[in-house]
Amino acid sequence: SQQGEEDPQALSIQEGENATMNCSYKTSINNLQWYRQNSGRGLVHLILIRSNEREKHSGRLRVTLDTSKKSSSLLITASRAADTASYFCATPYSSASKIIFGSGTRLSIRP
Amino acid sequence: DTAVSQTPKYLVTQMGNDKSIKCEQNLGHDTMYWYKQDSKKFLKIMFSYNNKELIINETVPNRFSPKSPDKAHLNLHINSLELGDSAVYFCASSQDQAGGRKLFFGSGTQLSVL
Repeated sequence: SQQGEEDPQALSIQEGENATMNCSYKTSINNLQWYRQNSGRGLVHLILIRSNEREKHSGRLRVTLDTSKKSSSLLITASRAADTASYFCATPYSSASKIIFGSGTRLSIRP
Repeated sequence: DTAVSQTPKYLVTQMGNDKSIKCEQNLGHDTMYWYKQDSKKFLKIMFSYNNKELIINETVPNRFSPKSPDKAHLNLHINSLELGDSAVYFCASSQDQAGGRKLFFGSGTQLSVL
């Protein structure tokens, strides 16, 4: 079963704009992660936020976590062409070693 | 100096054949995984090994048999390949740590069953 669902499924924005994607999950978690996947490549870890954190920053990335709503958002500021990729949230499900992924958001940056 | 490497990158084969995908990590991680990504990009966990011991075995046909000769290697053997096995298979590894495990992925093996 999919633990996470992401919204939107696809997003196309102009270079320089901000991109926001959301993830909702079903069960209680102690952390949530975001990954990026460029076309034809493996996933790359971007950021991990723990359940006792509400917001975390890494460069142009800002992640929020609302455990009461079981949701997280990933904001990419000042987007660049190189940000074109699919973005996935991931959470542990029933055990720390079972990490399952959301359905992903395909982000396209228009020049 | 690839951290997680898997071979081959592409695998094209006929239905009914048996094939293997190999994975190696040089990160010293304790846990390794196999994930399957379908054509819609859904990523589904298949197996997880911790120090050569199977700890996760999702609802995967028993035609799929993982083998971990040591904690740096996790191979996937698939018997009697079917059309529905066509997908991209990713190997990943992580280190056991409190607060969350970050996965390091290989570049994937695109399997096409004809």
